[in-house]
Parts: sequence; structure tokens; C-alpha cells
Amino acid sequence: QVQLVESGGGVVQPGRSLRLSCAASGFTFSSYGMHWVRQAPGKGLEWVAVMSYDGSNTYHADSVKGRFTISRDNSKNTLYLQMNSLRAEDTAVYHCAKVVPGIVAVRGAMDVWGQGTTVTVSS
Amino acid sequence: QSALTQPPSASGSPGQSVTISCTGTSSDVGGYNYVSWYQQHPGKAPKLMIYEVGKRPSGVPDRFSGSKSANTASLTVSGLQAEDEADYYCSSYAGSNKVLFGGGTKLTVL
Repeated sequence: QVQLVESGGGVVQPGRSLRLSCAASGFTFSSYGMHWVRQAPGKGLEWVAVMSYDGSNTYHADSVKGRFTISRDNSKNTLYLQMNSLRAEDTAVYHCAKVVPGIVAVRGAMDVWGQGTTVTVSS
Repeated sequence: QSALTQPPSASGSPGQSVTISCTGTSSDVGGYNYVSWYQQHPGKAPKLMIYEVGKRPSGVPDRFSGSKSANTASLTVSGLQAEDEADYYCSSYAGSNKVLFGGGTKLTVL
């Protein structure tokens, strides 16, 4: 079945780096745009970044621009989020999500979500 | 860009209808037909319920419907059922290659 599984979360000190992974299965990963969305404890959803199906277009939220980088390896069916210069306010559950078919990735809704991986930034 | 505005809570009795609003601006909700709605039960991943204002993914009951007027989008849940109790989030393309979410609405089935 269609599935997304995130990994790579953990506890990290402010200013350090972390790389999240999202393993996709059950669909043709290389045909779909992908998002990262985060949810701070007890808070709502916040869009983080999106990448087109072929990696040619990437966009990031202003809150993470210059610190986070979305990327993908279609040969490994995996999406990544490189997070540098982490701050306490980056503490959240990070979800990857697949874009609905037939639409430019950044405009597309998210029709399949992973369960998320937790990132805690604390000294 | 600020988050889209949703009421913090909404409620209804089983069998009734409830509508949740999502207010933005002409630069996001009002400017594009790329509004989507997500349902999230506690401790679970969000689930897509409505996309492109009023389209329903396969498997989503037709009790869920979406619409938009000017800068406000709405999600209507008809024939409320106990399992509809959850948090609901709207989202919209906001131009300039950005995406916005609403703050979320907690739907209680009385």
C-alpha cells in the first residue's frame, strides 16, 4: 500500500544540524511532488518546504529559508530535509506528504502523509 | 504572510450539519482555487478531506463538502457522526511559491 515513513528525528542542541528522511513505497515516487510539514507540540500545522517530482523546483517557508534544505533521491525513493542552525522553535513533529496527482507541486494538496518524526531542539 | 483564520472550535449533535470557515486574503484563499482541508485525530497524521476547494478524494464520505466565497473557504460536515470529532485544518496556496495553513478548528460531536 501507499506509505511514507519518516526517520532521523531526535534531540539536538541549538545551532546543530539534523537530516530527516522520508522513505516512500507503494507508488511511483519519482512522479510526484513532495512536501515537508511540521507541527509544534500542541500547535497547528506549518508548511516547511516542497520539491517538484524531478527536483527541479524547491521552495521553502520564510521561517526556515537559508537553514533548511529539501532534497530527494528518486533512485532510493527517499525525500530528505537537511536542517542546519536549529533553534528551539524548530521543535516539532515533521511529516512528509505526497502531492495530489496532476498539479504543480507547490499548489498541490497533500494526499498521503507519514506518521512523522519528532525533532526536539534543547540544550 | 499570516496563517489563515479559523474558529478555534465548532460543535454539533449527531446527524446535524456544521460548517467551519477559513478566512484569508485576496493573495491566498481569494486568489486561487487551491484550498484544501485536512482532518487530524489525536496522535495521528493529517488526512486529506477536500482539495481544490470542493473536490473529494476517493474514500472520503460525501458528507464532507467544500466551497469558497471571496476570501473565505468553508468545510461543511453533514450528518455528523462521532468519528468526525477531530481537528480540522485548512490550507491554501498563497502565491510566491508559499503555502499557508489555518490555525485549526476542534470539532466536537455533542
